[in-house]
Amino acid sequence: DAKTTQPTSMDCAEGRAANLPCNHSTISGNEYVYWYRQIHSQGPQYIIHGLKNNETNEMASLIITEDRKSSTLILPHATLRDTAVYYCIVRGVNSGGSNYKLTFGKGTLLTVNP
Amino acid sequence: GAGVSQSPRYKVAKRGQDVALRCDPISGHVSLFWYQQALGQGPEFLTYFQNEAQLDKSGLPSDRFFAERPEGSVSTLKIQRTQQEDSAVYLCASSPRQGLTEAFFGQGTRLTVV
Repeated sequence: DAKTTQPTSMDCAEGRAANLPCNHSTISGNEYVYWYRQIHSQGPQYIIHGLKNNETNEMASLIITEDRKSSTLILPHATLRDTAVYYCIVRGVNSGGSNYKLTFGKGTLLTVNP
Repeated sequence: GAGVSQSPRYKVAKRGQDVALRCDPISGHVSLFWYQQALGQGPEFLTYFQNEAQLDKSGLPSDRFFAERPEGSVSTLKIQRTQQEDSAVYLCASSPRQGLTEAFFGQGTRLTVV
């Protein structure tokens, strides 16, 4: 699976949009971009995933650049409860490979301030 | 509840003691995973089950680690002769199908070896 690079930490004001970047310059054509987050003392929680089109769900939006070498997770109106470590993960789709694995890096600690 | 349940939440073991960590996945989920998370790091893959079959145990750090899922539902991760370096949070996750699909994580078991 392709390696990802994320900032170590970010701050955001409550009520503002949080934009979390991720670089995955070695991503291949059959690899998806997944985002998970982990609130303190909890297990990771799935947020969203995408292949090449932008995606939106009730939690967040995912913007993937046209060349697919980077993406941005957007939390449109951050709340204090969004304070967590956010992990960007690239994951292959080949059924013969180990695509069931999630390879977590260190992620980005997002702190939402009142 | 309907989520992944892990027990105990906290376990303190003396060095050399054997421990068993339990995971109750979401009912009907085919896939089950174990991850290990050291302090300040992202989770790392340990092993993967599809129903009762252990298809990948490449992440188990030593032969002191053993996992089973005999009836394709509840899983147990056993660590024999615990060492201080085994201190970590052990996370269990399940997903409804094999392959590329979102995983639901439990809250983890925090193991401290003294």
